[in-house]
Amino acid sequence: EAQVTQNPRYLITVTGKKLTVTCSQNMNHEYMSWYRQDPGLGLRQIYYSMNVEVTDKGDVPEGYKVSRKEKRNFPLILESPSPNQTSLYFCASSLWGGDTQYFGPGTRLTVL
Amino acid sequence: AQKITQTQPGMFVQEKEAVTLDCTYDTSDPSYGLFWYKQPSSGEMIFLIYQGSYDQQNATEGRYSLNFQKARKSANLVISASQLGDSAMYFCAMREGLRSNTGKLIFGQGTTLQVKP
Repeated sequence: EAQVTQNPRYLITVTGKKLTVTCSQNMNHEYMSWYRQDPGLGLRQIYYSMNVEVTDKGDVPEGYKVSRKEKRNFPLILESPSPNQTSLYFCASSLWGGDTQYFGPGTRLTVL
Repeated sequence: AQKITQTQPGMFVQEKEAVTLDCTYDTSDPSYGLFWYKQPSSGEMIFLIYQGSYDQQNATEGRYSLNFQKARKSANLVISASQLGDSAMYFCAMREGLRSNTGKLIFGQGTTLQVKP
């Protein structure tokens, strides 16, 4: 089944404890992206990747890192999480940057 | 600046009736894409339908159709024969034009649809 997977789906952590949210797609998509969804602010792009080893900042990249060492994986790294990073995070992928993006199931993160 | 506006925070529709969810957009780029996504209470984002700025005909996908009026910059979603499972939040989104090359989707604030039995 063609899909985007994210892990974990739910995470409660404490301020400053490094964490990684994994994202993987099995559709051989070149483009991958991370968004966060917050009440009243909607969905905003954090980082995106046009292809392997090519990543760039979106609208809200502060406090996040990404890497794209393989085509299928695009992990989101929070080196020192803070409470303002409590959010619902989505990974998305598409065949290329202009194509339809398919979203993963979301990761609900709470930083205490 | 590119912007998506959904003016209906919440809507009700009777089961088996049709409903239209409004979406207007603002862009100066001649090339853009418009999308609708559904977010049920479980939280996932489900792609419904896509309309390209140069597409001559309105997009349709099963019970979903997109009423694209380019001159008015509107891209309303029409759901025919509503079902209880259609109850969800619906987001209109626009992909930045190809010139920007970020692939970023700009989302509206969403419309909550409740289908009544």
